[in-house]
Amino acid sequence: AQKVTQAQTEISVVEKEDVTLDCVYETRDTTYYLFWYKQPPSGELVFLIRRNSFDEQNEISGRYSWNFQKSTSSFNFTITASQVVDSAVYFCALSPRLRAGKSTFGDGTTLTVKP
Amino acid sequence: GAVVSQHPSRVICKSGTSVKIECRSLDFQATTMFWYRQFPKKSLMLMATSNEGSKATYEQGVEKDKFLINHASLTLSTLTVTSAHPEDSSFYICSAIAGGGTAGELFFGEGSRLTVL
Repeated sequence: AQKVTQAQTEISVVEKEDVTLDCVYETRDTTYYLFWYKQPPSGELVFLIRRNSFDEQNEISGRYSWNFQKSTSSFNFTITASQVVDSAVYFCALSPRLRAGKSTFGDGTTLTVKP
Repeated sequence: GAVVSQHPSRVICKSGTSVKIECRSLDFQATTMFWYRQFPKKSLMLMATSNEGSKATYEQGVEKDKFLINHASLTLSTLTVTSAHPEDSSFYICSAIAGGGTAGELFFGEGSRLTVL
């Protein structure tokens, strides 16, 4: 069985603050993908990143960075210098590599960035 | 990159009517697509796996007769909510695997919001 835990239900920050969204997962699969998605108030799911379980390198994309720690089964997401437009629900998801559609999503973290 | 498109993005219907939602892979063929449902302020729950040319596989607790899935071509899967009721109001999202089979890269559609009056 797979499980994704996003312990932070809601986070509120002031613009320009840095914020980290936590994601902890459980899986028995040896190969898997981890994802982060953003869901703004309009509702659509926006893909942010996919990480292969073989690749533990951290990644930075603009103000976004991800820290994948296989030893602690965590895949945390940091937004640097947050902006109001970052306000959204963020989902972490886990997908077995050989059964890609059997994705398990965390419950999501609602991020509110105040001006 | 690969794109998955859903239509309509929003639909409002009367109770008792049926609603069809389309999921298309725009630049790749997808033998397998997936349908998820998201309740308000909740996470996404896998409803069913749509298989091109064969019957869909439903997750436990999902009513097959209520949520009809048809995967008639390699680029199109449809979800029909039959005899919709207000409790069926939800956000429905599809995804598809690029590269064929079940081990390729997964892409999500934009979602379709259904409101049943």
